[in-house]
Amino acid sequence: SQKIEQNSEALNIQEGKTATLTCNYTNYSPAYLQWYRQDPGRGPVFLLLIRENEKEKRKERLKVTFDTTLKQSLFHITASQPADSATYLCALGTGGYNKLIFGAGTRLAVHP
Amino acid sequence: GAGVSQSPSNKVTEKGKDVELRCDPISGHTALYWYRQSLGQGLEFLIYFQGNSAPDKSGLPSDRFSAERTGGSVSTLTIQRTQQEDSAVYLCASSLEAPGNSGANVLTFGAGSRLTVL
Repeated sequence: SQKIEQNSEALNIQEGKTATLTCNYTNYSPAYLQWYRQDPGRGPVFLLLIRENEKEKRKERLKVTFDTTLKQSLFHITASQPADSATYLCALGTGGYNKLIFGAGTRLAVHP
Repeated sequence: GAGVSQSPSNKVTEKGKDVELRCDPISGHTALYWYRQSLGQGLEFLIYFQGNSAPDKSGLPSDRFSAERTGGSVSTLTIQRTQQEDSAVYLCASSLEAPGNSGANVLTFGAGSRLTVL
């Protein structure tokens, strides 16, 4: 069956360091992959989209990679700040009019 | 409206009662999703509406759950004979999906409706 895996344990890092979050999937051929941020008590907010034919995408301090051979995406936050503390969710879509499926998310805590 | 609106924001009900949760998507968005998020868990897909097509109901956990979308806009998720395991945050999202956009459906979420079944 289709499966999306994200680290269930929280990631704790020091301010200023680079945070790296992982999203792995099996039995899935996504056309694109998205990353969302979720703060407590709020709905997820879209951050970045990367398509299957793209290796890397950047937006300010954020970088996403997509390796369809390894079936993995890495999400990096450089020069992390305490304000980056949140849960980060990856989501996969097959394109067209098909539903978006989410991973369980990884909680990131950036300590001053 | 400017964003996705959900109501009520909080609902406490007794086991066995029916509840209705409402979602008002962004005007013009053709797609509407319902997800469920239990405490500390990820988003569980429930149902997806796209334009006038038949909805994808593959995520509804039981026949106690149903949803409709009237006039391609407002959606209502109904849970009949609620059970304690239905307690969760129910999130609605909408997306502007149209032919030719490569199907990359970026979702805008509401703040959710927190349901507690006693």
